[in-house]
Amino acid sequence: GESVGLHLPTLSVQEGDNSIINCAYSNSASDYFIWYKQESGKGPQFIIDIRSNMDKRQGQRVTVLLNKTVKHLSLQIAATQPGDSAVYFCAEVPTSGTYKYIFGTGTRLKVLA
Amino acid sequence: DTAVSQTPKYLVTQMGNDKSIKCEQNLGHDTMYWYKQDSKKFLKIMFSYNNKELIINETVPNRFSPKSPDKAHLNLHINSLELGDSAVYFCASSQGIRQGGDEQFFGPGTRLTVL
Repeated sequence: GESVGLHLPTLSVQEGDNSIINCAYSNSASDYFIWYKQESGKGPQFIIDIRSNMDKRQGQRVTVLLNKTVKHLSLQIAATQPGDSAVYFCAEVPTSGTYKYIFGTGTRLKVLA
Repeated sequence: DTAVSQTPKYLVTQMGNDKSIKCEQNLGHDTMYWYKQDSKKFLKIMFSYNNKELIINETVPNRFSPKSPDKAHLNLHINSLELGDSAVYFCASSQGIRQGGDEQFFGPGTRLTVL
Protein backbone atom coordinates (compact mmCIF):
# COMPACT_ATOMS: atom_id res chain seq x y z
CA GLY A 1 0.00 0.00 0.00
CA GLU A 2 0.94 3.62 -0.06
CA SER A 3 3.08 4.85 2.77
CA VAL A 4 5.34 7.71 3.60
CA GLY A 5 7.51 7.21 6.63
CA LEU A 6 10.27 8.80 8.62
CA HIS A 7 13.37 7.12 10.02
CA LEU A 8 13.64 9.16 13.24
CA PRO A 9 10.61 10.05 15.31
CA THR A 10 12.59 12.55 17.44
CA LEU A 11 15.70 14.50 16.53
CA SER A 12 17.62 16.58 19.05
CA VAL A 13 20.03 19.16 17.65
CA GLN A 14 22.27 21.73 19.27
CA GLU A 15 21.37 25.32 18.45
CA GLY A 16 23.48 26.51 15.56
CA ASP A 17 24.07 23.05 14.14
CA ASN A 18 22.52 21.77 10.94
CA SER A 19 19.50 19.44 11.07
CA ILE A 20 18.64 16.68 8.65
CA ILE A 21 15.19 15.14 8.68
CA ASN A 22 14.65 12.10 6.50
CA CYS A 23 11.62 10.63 4.83
CA ALA A 24 11.06 7.46 2.81
CA TYR A 25 8.17 7.19 0.40
CA SER A 26 6.84 4.11 -1.34
CA ASN A 27 4.88 5.39 -4.33
CA SER A 28 7.29 5.74 -7.24
CA ALA A 29 4.51 7.43 -9.22
CA SER A 30 4.50 10.48 -6.94
CA ASP A 31 5.69 13.61 -8.66
CA TYR A 32 5.36 16.28 -6.00
CA PHE A 33 6.72 16.36 -2.46
CA ILE A 34 6.22 18.85 0.31
CA TRP A 35 7.62 19.53 3.75
CA TYR A 36 5.42 21.01 6.44
CA LYS A 37 6.27 22.32 9.91
CA GLN A 38 3.80 22.06 12.74
CA GLU A 39 4.40 24.02 15.92
CA SER A 40 2.67 23.07 19.11
CA GLY A 41 -1.03 23.97 19.05
CA LYS A 42 -0.94 25.17 15.45
CA GLY A 43 -1.75 23.86 12.03
CA PRO A 44 0.89 22.59 9.61
CA GLN A 45 2.73 25.32 7.76
CA PHE A 46 4.31 24.94 4.32
CA ILE A 47 8.12 25.04 4.29
CA ILE A 48 9.31 23.95 0.88
CA ASP A 49 8.32 21.70 -2.00
CA ILE A 50 10.04 19.87 -4.81
CA ARG A 51 8.87 18.29 -8.02
CA SER A 52 10.08 14.93 -9.22
CA ASN A 53 12.06 16.45 -12.10
CA MET A 54 14.40 18.06 -9.57
CA ASP A 55 16.98 16.63 -7.17
CA LYS A 56 17.46 19.62 -4.95
CA ARG A 57 15.72 22.83 -4.06
CA GLN A 58 16.86 25.55 -1.70
CA GLY A 59 14.94 28.03 0.35
CA GLN A 60 15.89 30.32 3.15
CA ARG A 61 18.01 28.15 5.50
CA VAL A 62 16.26 25.03 4.20
CA THR A 63 17.16 22.59 1.46
CA VAL A 64 15.14 19.65 0.23
CA LEU A 65 16.86 16.74 -1.49
CA LEU A 66 15.04 14.13 -3.51
CA ASN A 67 16.54 10.77 -4.42
CA LYS A 68 14.07 9.02 -6.68
CA THR A 69 16.27 5.95 -7.06
CA VAL A 70 15.84 4.98 -3.42
CA LYS A 71 12.61 6.95 -2.91
CA HIS A 72 14.09 9.14 -0.24
CA LEU A 73 13.43 12.74 0.69
CA SER A 74 15.31 14.87 3.18
CA LEU A 75 14.97 18.31 4.71
CA GLN A 76 18.11 20.11 5.75
CA ILE A 77 17.89 23.08 8.08
CA ALA A 78 21.01 25.20 8.35
CA ALA A 79 22.04 26.87 11.63
CA THR A 80 19.10 25.45 13.55
CA GLN A 81 17.38 27.94 15.82
CA PRO A 82 15.06 27.48 18.82
CA GLY A 83 12.15 28.59 16.63
CA ASP A 84 12.75 25.56 14.45
CA SER A 85 11.53 23.28 17.23
CA ALA A 86 8.41 21.61 15.84
CA VAL A 87 7.11 18.44 14.22
CA TYR A 88 8.08 18.14 10.57
CA PHE A 89 6.05 16.21 8.03
CA CYS A 90 6.84 15.14 4.54
CA ALA A 91 4.01 14.50 2.11
CA GLU A 92 3.81 13.07 -1.37
CA VAL A 93 1.27 13.60 -4.11
CA PRO A 94 0.82 10.64 -6.48
CA THR A 95 0.30 11.37 -10.14
CA SER A 96 -2.51 8.87 -10.49
CA GLY A 97 -5.91 8.98 -8.88
CA THR A 98 -7.44 11.90 -7.08
CA TYR A 99 -5.09 14.68 -6.14
CA LYS A 100 -4.31 14.37 -2.43
CA TYR A 101 -1.47 14.68 0.04
CA ILE A 102 -0.22 11.52 1.71
CA PHE A 103 1.55 12.56 4.87
CA GLY A 104 4.34 10.77 6.68
CA THR A 105 4.29 10.10 10.39
CA GLY A 106 6.26 13.17 11.41
CA THR A 107 9.59 13.87 13.13
CA ARG A 108 9.85 16.00 16.22
CA LEU A 109 12.82 18.36 16.11
CA LYS A 110 14.12 19.56 19.47
CA VAL A 111 16.64 22.37 19.47
CA LEU A 112 18.93 22.36 22.49
CA ALA A 113 20.27 25.66 23.80
CA ASP B 1 -6.27 38.57 8.19
CA THR B 2 -6.67 34.88 9.09
CA ALA B 3 -6.43 32.84 5.89
CA VAL B 4 -8.09 29.62 7.07
CA SER B 5 -10.13 29.79 10.25
CA GLN B 6 -11.94 27.11 12.21
CA THR B 7 -14.47 27.20 15.00
CA PRO B 8 -14.47 26.10 17.68
CA LYS B 9 -10.84 25.65 18.66
CA TYR B 10 -11.76 23.21 21.42
CA LEU B 11 -14.79 20.97 21.60
CA VAL B 12 -15.53 18.67 24.52
CA THR B 13 -18.64 16.54 24.32
CA GLN B 14 -20.25 13.32 25.45
CA MET B 15 -20.43 10.10 23.47
CA GLY B 16 -23.50 9.88 21.30
CA ASN B 17 -23.82 13.62 20.75
CA ASP B 18 -23.88 15.35 17.36
CA LYS B 19 -21.47 18.22 16.74
CA SER B 20 -20.28 20.46 13.93
CA ILE B 21 -16.97 22.15 13.14
CA LYS B 22 -16.91 25.13 10.82
CA CYS B 23 -14.19 26.23 8.44
CA GLU B 24 -13.82 29.36 6.37
CA GLN B 25 -11.07 30.53 4.03
CA ASN B 26 -10.61 34.04 2.68
CA LEU B 27 -7.93 33.14 0.12
CA GLY B 28 -10.31 32.79 -2.81
CA HIS B 29 -9.34 29.14 -3.18
CA ASP B 30 -11.44 26.60 -5.02
CA THR B 31 -10.54 23.53 -2.98
CA MET B 32 -11.00 22.75 0.69
CA TYR B 33 -10.10 19.74 2.82
CA TRP B 34 -10.69 18.10 6.16
CA TYR B 35 -7.90 16.17 7.87
CA LYS B 36 -7.83 14.17 11.07
CA GLN B 37 -4.70 14.14 13.24
CA ASP B 38 -4.58 11.41 15.87
CA SER B 39 -2.73 11.34 19.17
CA LYS B 40 0.43 10.15 17.41
CA LYS B 41 0.36 13.19 15.15
CA PHE B 42 -0.55 11.13 12.10
CA LEU B 43 -2.33 13.39 9.61
CA LYS B 44 -4.84 11.83 7.23
CA ILE B 45 -7.13 13.27 4.60
CA MET B 46 -10.83 12.73 5.18
CA PHE B 47 -12.65 14.81 2.59
CA SER B 48 -12.00 17.31 -0.14
CA TYR B 49 -14.32 19.65 -2.02
CA ASN B 50 -13.51 21.45 -5.24
CA ASN B 51 -15.93 24.20 -6.21
CA LYS B 52 -18.47 22.76 -3.76
CA GLU B 53 -18.19 19.31 -5.34
CA LEU B 54 -16.99 16.36 -3.24
CA ILE B 55 -13.86 14.92 -4.86
CA ILE B 56 -12.23 12.98 -2.06
CA ASN B 57 -14.09 10.79 0.39
CA GLU B 58 -11.67 8.53 2.18
CA THR B 59 -12.72 5.56 4.25
CA VAL B 60 -14.53 7.59 6.85
CA PRO B 61 -17.62 6.42 8.79
CA ASN B 62 -20.81 7.85 7.37
CA ARG B 63 -21.38 9.52 10.73
CA PHE B 64 -19.09 12.18 9.29
CA SER B 65 -20.77 14.43 6.76
CA PRO B 66 -19.05 17.41 5.16
CA LYS B 67 -21.08 20.27 3.78
CA SER B 68 -19.88 23.07 1.55
CA PRO B 69 -22.45 25.88 1.25
CA ASP B 70 -20.04 27.87 -0.91
CA LYS B 71 -16.42 27.78 -2.02
CA ALA B 72 -15.23 29.65 1.06
CA HIS B 73 -16.80 27.32 3.61
CA LEU B 74 -16.50 23.65 4.42
CA ASN B 75 -18.19 22.40 7.54
CA LEU B 76 -17.90 18.99 9.16
CA HIS B 77 -20.85 17.45 10.97
CA ILE B 78 -20.34 14.39 13.12
CA ASN B 79 -23.23 12.27 14.35
CA SER B 80 -23.26 9.87 17.28
CA LEU B 81 -19.78 10.77 18.47
CA GLU B 82 -17.55 7.95 19.65
CA LEU B 83 -14.46 7.89 21.85
CA GLY B 84 -12.30 7.13 18.81
CA ASP B 85 -13.37 10.38 17.19
CA SER B 86 -11.22 12.27 19.68
CA ALA B 87 -8.52 13.97 17.63
CA VAL B 88 -7.49 17.28 16.18
CA TYR B 89 -9.34 18.12 12.98
CA PHE B 90 -7.70 20.42 10.48
CA CYS B 91 -9.29 22.28 7.64
CA ALA B 92 -7.13 23.27 4.68
CA SER B 93 -7.53 24.97 1.34
CA SER B 94 -5.65 25.18 -1.93
CA GLN B 95 -6.01 27.16 -5.13
CA GLY B 96 -6.96 24.05 -7.05
CA ILE B 97 -6.06 20.43 -7.56
CA ARG B 98 -3.38 20.60 -10.18
CA GLN B 99 -1.36 17.47 -10.57
CA GLY B 100 2.15 18.43 -9.65
CA GLY B 101 1.06 20.40 -6.67
CA ASP B 102 -1.03 23.15 -5.22
CA GLU B 103 0.11 24.30 -1.80
CA GLN B 104 -2.38 23.61 0.94
CA PHE B 105 -2.94 26.17 3.67
CA PHE B 106 -4.03 24.77 7.00
CA GLY B 107 -6.26 26.19 9.67
CA PRO B 108 -5.34 26.21 13.39
CA GLY B 109 -7.21 22.98 14.12
CA THR B 110 -10.12 21.96 16.32
CA ARG B 111 -9.32 19.68 19.22
CA LEU B 112 -12.28 17.36 19.73
CA THR B 113 -12.50 15.39 22.97
CA VAL B 114 -15.23 12.82 23.34
CA LEU B 115 -15.92 11.70 26.90
